[in-house]
Amino acid sequence: AQSVTQLDSQVPVFEEAPVELRCNYSSSVSVYLFWYVQYPNQGLQLLLKYLSGSTLVKGINGFEAEFNKSQTSFHLRKPSVHISDTAEYFCAVMARDDKIIFGKGTRLHILP
Amino acid sequence: GAVVSQHPSRVICKSGTSVKIECRSLDFQATTMFWYRQFPKQSLMLMATSNEGSKATYEQGVEKDKFLINHASLTLSTLTVTSAHPEDSSFYICSARVQGSETQYFGPGTRLLVL
Repeated sequence: AQSVTQLDSQVPVFEEAPVELRCNYSSSVSVYLFWYVQYPNQGLQLLLKYLSGSTLVKGINGFEAEFNKSQTSFHLRKPSVHISDTAEYFCAVMARDDKIIFGKGTRLHILP
Repeated sequence: GAVVSQHPSRVICKSGTSVKIECRSLDFQATTMFWYRQFPKQSLMLMATSNEGSKATYEQGVEKDKFLINHASLTLSTLTVTSAHPEDSSFYICSARVQGSETQYFGPGTRLLVL
């Protein structure tokens, strides 16, 4: 079975500052990794995904994530955040042909 | 592309009534659809997985007779909350996946309030 741990439930950061949202996973088999964003009262939007190949994955809205197999991590980063990035961010893992397992989410607060 | 819609976006109903939520893939055929439930400030919890033309697979602890799922076509799945009670009030989100693809596309969610 797979599991996902998002280490921070909330992350406050000043506008235009860099941010890193942490995600660690556990799995005995190869997995796909995802980051989704959820704006208030909305569904989930895919930010980026890692399937294979290059460990640095670039997504939408200037976000990127790096897959680190040895540390079983898939941290999300953005060099300069904007007020519009205020949202809930979910890390997720999926084994091939299996269901997605979501982390508990990290709420990103952008401070003016 | 890859748009998933849900209807209604929000619904208020009386305790004891049934509510049907529709999930549609607008521009692709979804061989598999998933239904999730999300409580305030919590993560998504998978309720069931439905494959077109077959019975849904429910997660442990989810009542099959209470949450009826039908996946009659490759573009439509429905979730019916039968005899709804206030504790069923939640945000219900569906997602759709094409066979062989690893990506799920999520609908905008339906907020259910049972009075």
